[in-house]
Amino acid sequence: DGGITQSPKYLFRKEGQNVTLSCEQNLNHDAMYWYRQDPGQGLRLIYYSQIVNDFQKGDIAEGYSVSREKKESFPLTVTSAQKNPTAFYLCASRSIGGWNIQYFGAGTRLSVL
Amino acid sequence: SQQGEEDPQALSIQEGENATMNCSYKTSINNLQWYRQNSGRGLVHLILIRSNEREKHSGRLRVTLDTSKKSSSLLITASRAADTASYFCATDAGETSGSRLTFGEGTQLTVNP
Repeated sequence: DGGITQSPKYLFRKEGQNVTLSCEQNLNHDAMYWYRQDPGQGLRLIYYSQIVNDFQKGDIAEGYSVSREKKESFPLTVTSAQKNPTAFYLCASRSIGGWNIQYFGAGTRLSVL
Repeated sequence: SQQGEEDPQALSIQEGENATMNCSYKTSINNLQWYRQNSGRGLVHLILIRSNEREKHSGRLRVTLDTSKKSSSLLITASRAADTASYFCATDAGETSGSRLTFGEGTQLTVNP
């Protein structure tokens, strides 16, 4: 069953805590993306990676970190420096070449305790 | 920053009616895409229109693109209750933008049975 799997579906963060959101894909896609979505709004790009061991900051990278050690995986860490982390986080991937059509996971909803 | 702006922000219609959503953008694009998002879920790609195309159809969807006005519209004909979702336009400025998609803030469509 091919696709993008995000886990967990719901996550709660305590003040001062770092939390990591998982994103795994078995579509053999080269590029992966992390977006943040606030209620009633569009998607804002946090980080993206077009190849293993390389990634670029998006528009709102402050307070977040990523790694890309494997093609299939692109975890996002929300650090304690992110003062307003409550949001819906979406991971996406696409194959390099052709049209830039992105495939999305089901999302992780992060809340602050 | 978000390039795309969509209007209306919310649209409520009766089943069987047509729904039209508009998207405006600011910079040159390689292509423009429309995505759908059911509440609390990830986005699903609907249709892509290239910068040299003016109109494209897919089932009950019709997309137009006017690059001189930097605008696009999505028409859903003979709407169904199952079409209730948020619809986002996304612009792709090509490799010069790092192969990023820039999303609008979306139109929330409600189709009443």
